Amino acid sequence: KAGVTQTPRYLIKTRGQQVTLSCSPISGHRSVSWYQQTPGQGLQFLFEYFSETQRNKGNFPGRFSGRQFSNSRSEMNVSTLELGDSALYLCASSLLMRGTDTQYFGPGTRLTVL
Amino acid sequence: ILNVEQSPQSLHVQEGDSTNFTCSFPSSNFYALHWYRWETAKSPEALFVMTLNGDEKKKGRISATLNTKEGYSYLYIKGSQPEDSATYLCASIDNYGQNFVFGPGTRLSVLP
Repeated sequence: KAGVTQTPRYLIKTRGQQVTLSCSPISGHRSVSWYQQTPGQGLQFLFEYFSETQRNKGNFPGRFSGRQFSNSRSEMNVSTLELGDSALYLCASSLLMRGTDTQYFGPGTRLTVL
Repeated sequence: ILNVEQSPQSLHVQEGDSTNFTCSFPSSNFYALHWYRWETAKSPEALFVMTLNGDEKKKGRISATLNTKEGYSYLYIKGSQPEDSATYLCASIDNYGQNFVFGPGTRLSVLP
């Protein structure tokens, strides 16, 4: 079975721009969660989508948004980029919602904001 | 806000040593605890998902225990190997999955 894939792997943007990241879950998985990893804050939860609905959301500003399509693929969008948005963005998929189900992580997208 | 702590922050052991780390989390509204191994330049890999007080799980040389009443989990590695070198993360979930918070991790280096 193919693992979780994320595109693009690397991205360089400038302040004020917006960016869209994509995540394709393992086939059959219905939950996709997004995380941000920075050296100062560690790994932080952004949001979780299940069956095209946002089920849980972390403590991030409204500039961070996402969606999930009927094939469970998910996109994350960050508008009006700030320098502090530079981070590794990971997505993870699970068969059911992530609370008690094993999550499988993708390789991540490294975003650099200049 | 859920606060998850891990100790030690980093650890250096010799090949063959056994070692253990601690994850501390609030015991109120506990729902589940996840352990992950994250090797450099790779994706985090799930080790265990634990939900019940007294749970013990094992995967090869790695095992974990859970105490939800006092809010801690131990991860044990028996006979450490260089390939065990990684950052070990725990994540605690409360409120039926609403809050999902990672600890800062324990960085393990196994010296040959």
